[in-house]
Amino acid sequence: GAGVSQTPSNKVTEKGKYVELRCDPISGHTALYWYRQSLGQGPEFLIYFQGTGAADDSGLPNDRFFAVRPEGSVSTLKIQRTERGDSAVYLCASSQSRGNTDTQYFGPGTRLTVL
Amino acid sequence: AQSVTQLDSQVPVFEEAPVELRCNYSSSVSVYLFWYVQYPNQGLQLLLKYLSGSTLVKGINGFEAEFNKSQTSFHLRKPSVHISDTAEYFCAVSDLGQGGKLIFGQGTELSVKP
Repeated sequence: GAGVSQTPSNKVTEKGKYVELRCDPISGHTALYWYRQSLGQGPEFLIYFQGTGAADDSGLPNDRFFAVRPEGSVSTLKIQRTERGDSAVYLCASSQSRGNTDTQYFGPGTRLTVL
Repeated sequence: AQSVTQLDSQVPVFEEAPVELRCNYSSSVSVYLFWYVQYPNQGLQLLLKYLSGSTLVKGINGFEAEFNKSQTSFHLRKPSVHISDTAEYFCAVSDLGQGGKLIFGQGTELSVKP
């Protein structure tokens, strides 16, 4: 079956612009996670959805970042007024349920470059 | 707050040599521990995980890790590495009661030379 997919694979934008990053989880997976990986660092948690609702958004760095999952499947991470410091690889992962024990399956990521 | 420290940023080894990648985490009542691997230009892939029970966990590709609660460590080992093991390795922890949120270490770059 298909894994987690993310589009676009690369996004170059200018400082101040708005961007949307999309994640298609594995079919049937109810939990969805967003992480951000800066160069030379490990992934950093941003937000976690259980179904349609954000169960934990404690990792969102500020109010320029927002994510939705309106139908409990596809999710979109939205960044307003982008800054150069937002440049990173944005990773999406999904798992079958909300438990800590479930394996998270990661997508290939979207590389965001803010000029 | 929970944190993970990977003690080596780069580990160069020769093919067929043993390797150990070190990982320490900050103490918590109950944690689950994971090792992920990231091959060049690929997504993160789970190598192994410790949930409970036996402290020695075996994963894919011949890797294993040992959970040591007293030392708050979860070191990854392989007795004989291959060129194809060249990749970035990440240790991660999840706290009971925190949903599935993973806290990752900074990563260790394993470079296997012929």
